[in-house]
Amino acid sequence: DVVMTQSPLSLPVTLGQPASISCRSSQSLVHSDGNTYLGWFQQRPGQSPRRLIYKVSNRASGVPDRFSGSGSGTDFTLKISRVEAEDVGVYYCMQGSHWPLTFGGGTKVEIK
Amino acid sequence: EVLLLESGGGLVQPGGSLRLSCAASGFTFSTHAMSWVRQAPGKGLEWVSAISVTTYYADSVKGRFTISRDNSKNTLYLQMNSLRAEDTAVYYCAKDLPYSGWFFDYWGQGTLVTVSS
Repeated sequence: DVVMTQSPLSLPVTLGQPASISCRSSQSLVHSDGNTYLGWFQQRPGQSPRRLIYKVSNRASGVPDRFSGSGSGTDFTLKISRVEAEDVGVYYCMQGSHWPLTFGGGTKVEIK
Repeated sequence: EVLLLESGGGLVQPGGSLRLSCAASGFTFSTHAMSWVRQAPGKGLEWVSAISVTTYYADSVKGRFTISRDNSKNTLYLQMNSLRAEDTAVYYCAKDLPYSGWFFDYWGQGTLVTVSS
């Protein structure tokens, strides 16, 4: 199985400051069709997960442009350009290139 | 508006069975792949099973869980047999965004399954 490793586990951030979360996979996420299926989800406290980014860098519908995704191969990053209070929660990466689908362990974003 | 509403969770003894349902609305259900994802208390997300033209399972549930769908009822199911304590979790159904590589663009509110004697 593809192991997804996120860092850091916890990320205290000052409001208005940037935040960056790393996600690394144990093998390349380049699919045989040439696409890289790496996505990001946000889970606010007490809520269901919510879509953010798909295929590395595509923002899902309704996602603010302060969220951006980048990376390739085995190394990926989610960035929040200016953290707002509503961004508090746990962020998960997930790979869809290989079966079984696997999630990272999560990164908890909190306000300092 | 896309809505996914799970039901069927509850308390079950080890070795028991439970069937979860996910009622979908607001999109053409029959044309979308669907998945079940679970979250044990205080833990992260774990993909469980998916259905498109075929079915897929995590190794941890293979042979015990069966995913199915009834397109006439716009409903996704998860039949869970031989339940274990480690199956205790909130179970979410999730809708696939086409051509995204199993990216889930909508999630239900979840239903809690507790396996305990």
